[in-house]
Amino acid sequence: GEDVEQSLFLSVREGDSSVINCTYTDSSSTYLYWYKQEPGAGLQLLTYIFSNMDMKQDQRLTVLLNKKDKHLSLRIADTQTGDSAIYFCAETVNNAGNMLTFGGGTRLMVKP
Amino acid sequence: DTAVSQTPKYLVTQMGNDKSIKCEQNLGHDTMYWYKQDSKKFLKIMFSYNNKELIINETVPNRFSPKSPDKAHLNLHINSLELGDSAVYFCASSQDNVGGVFYGYTFGSGTRLTVV
Repeated sequence: GEDVEQSLFLSVREGDSSVINCTYTDSSSTYLYWYKQEPGAGLQLLTYIFSNMDMKQDQRLTVLLNKKDKHLSLRIADTQTGDSAIYFCAETVNNAGNMLTFGGGTRLMVKP
Repeated sequence: DTAVSQTPKYLVTQMGNDKSIKCEQNLGHDTMYWYKQDSKKFLKIMFSYNNKELIINETVPNRFSPKSPDKAHLNLHINSLELGDSAVYFCASSQDNVGGVFYGYTFGSGTRLTVV
């Protein structure tokens, strides 16, 4: 979407950390999300962060939010080949109900 | 299984035909959506229904008509199919804020529509 941007592609080696970045333009974003899409499948919610937080950790996933720079990142520790997928960030804005606006997705390729 | 299920998974049809895609959710969610994902994986909202009422209708051709017989179902009917309608169509659902938290959408697995 034009309001949420991501780089198109990331390639890492198995066991390394992956960092997927996202920028958004709407400063009134209330929630930000990371979704994972495997080939031929729908989007699966990985994690979300409320806009008054700056970090959230969930097992191998770490989400960092920099509200000043409107920058969101997803770090995957010890990346595995099963992590290969497209990762989408998304935001909701309080005055737009619960409509999600998605970024264009980052394709993560994990090499053995 | 609790889920959002859509049928069919694949749909190949000729230009000019009329087709429908069905979506059902058994999660008890209040709102359902249709998204279109193009060949570059870009996701764009088409429609949103809350408790059977249309609340979002983005700029889509009026050949596309959503129908919600009840809050667990949101079907998508497409008239006079065109080549440019080829895409993956995703249904999704969400619950209204629970304790002030919005947990995002639950997606179906998609319907790949190919118009030839």
